Formats: sequence, structure tokens, C-alpha cells
Amino acid sequence: EDQVTQSPEALRLQEGESSSLNCSYTVSGLRGLFWYRQDPGKGPEFLFTLYSAGEEKEKERLKATLTKKESFLHITAPKPEDSATYLCAVASGAGSYQLTFGKGTKLSVIP
Amino acid sequence: EAGVTQFPSHSVIEKGQTVTLRCDPISGHDNLYWYRRVMGKEIKFLLHFVKESKQDESGMPNNRFLAERTGGTYSTLKVQPAELEDSGVYFCASSRIYLTGGDTQYFGPGTRLTVL
Repeated sequence: EDQVTQSPEALRLQEGESSSLNCSYTVSGLRGLFWYRQDPGKGPEFLFTLYSAGEEKEKERLKATLTKKESFLHITAPKPEDSATYLCAVASGAGSYQLTFGKGTKLSVIP
Repeated sequence: EAGVTQFPSHSVIEKGQTVTLRCDPISGHDNLYWYRRVMGKEIKFLLHFVKESKQDESGMPNNRFLAERTGGTYSTLKVQPAELEDSGVYFCASSRIYLTGGDTQYFGPGTRLTVL
């Protein structure tokens, strides 16, 4: 059974204080690892897809990386508007398209 | 391009009643998914449609849940009769490509269901 574990559960940062969120996964044949951002009362908003170890993707202050066992979401010089819950999910296995999600990391960026 | 839309945004019903949730996927997306998050837990998969066909319904909790996608466009998820443990947020997602299984799923805003 696929498993996704995110850490920490919650993170408070001062504006400008860079940090990383972790997503550890156990799957049978990774088809893709996805990062989403979720604001309160809204649906998950797509950020990145990573397909193979060594892959990196960037968008504004966010950078996602992937190894064979985990993914990191690096946040550089965060701003208050980056405050949200960040979700990690994996798609794996032949013939299966379902995403397995972690519980998320709630990020708060303090001005 | 319009995103995934869901209706209603909130629904409060009593135990034993019936509720129907609707999802309109992004135009041109053949894949449609239903997920659910109950309080304190992670988002979990319910089922997957490819056009009008159910591809995978392994996550459906029991036979009180019925999903349909007539004509391969919008989908409905009916809960009948609703139980207290059905409370949660129901998300719909859609994706374009069928072949690889690792394609990006775009989520709707969710329907918050409360069963009293």
C-alpha cells in the first residue's frame, strides 16, 4: 500500500526566512509526485509534478526536488501570501490513476 | 479556461436523507475523479471515470454511495441514505491524458457535507 508522510505538520516562518518541507513516500512504481497548495475553504491548487529522481522544478519562491524516497519543497524568502497548507501526493502502480495524499504541512509566514 | 466546478459548496442534511453532489470537469478532460477528506484525515480517493465508464471504484466506502457520469461530461455523487460518518469535504478533480497515469489532476473547490 502506498504511503505518503509529510513533515513538519506545521511550520511558522518569519517573512524572508527560507526553509524546506519534506514529503517521504513508499510506493510500488512511482508514476508521478505532485505538490499542491491549499488555502482555507478552497480546493488543492496544482504547483508541480515530478516524475523521476533528480528532477527539479521552480516557480517564483518555490522549488521542488525529488529523490527515490522523498521530495522537498524549498521556500526561499517567503512572504505572508505564501501561507497555506502544502500537500504532497503520489500516483503509482500499473493501471491505477488515484492519488495518495499526505496530511499536509500548514505553513504560516509572519510579517 | 474554466476550472473544475462543484455544486453545492455546502450541504447540511439529516441522517437518513439523500444528497447529490455535482462536478463539472474542465472542458476536454476525459478523466474525472472523486476524493473525500474527513476531519483530521488526509484526502482519500473514491473513484475514477474515463469518459462515462467507471475505471476504478476501489475507494468507494460502501453501497450507499453511487456515482454517475452520463454522456462523459459532468458527474454526480449521490449518498443515500446519509450517515454521520459521511460528513467531510468532497473534492472532484479532472485530468486530460489517459495513457500514463501520472498526469496532473486539477481540483475543484469542494463540497462541504455535514450530516446531523
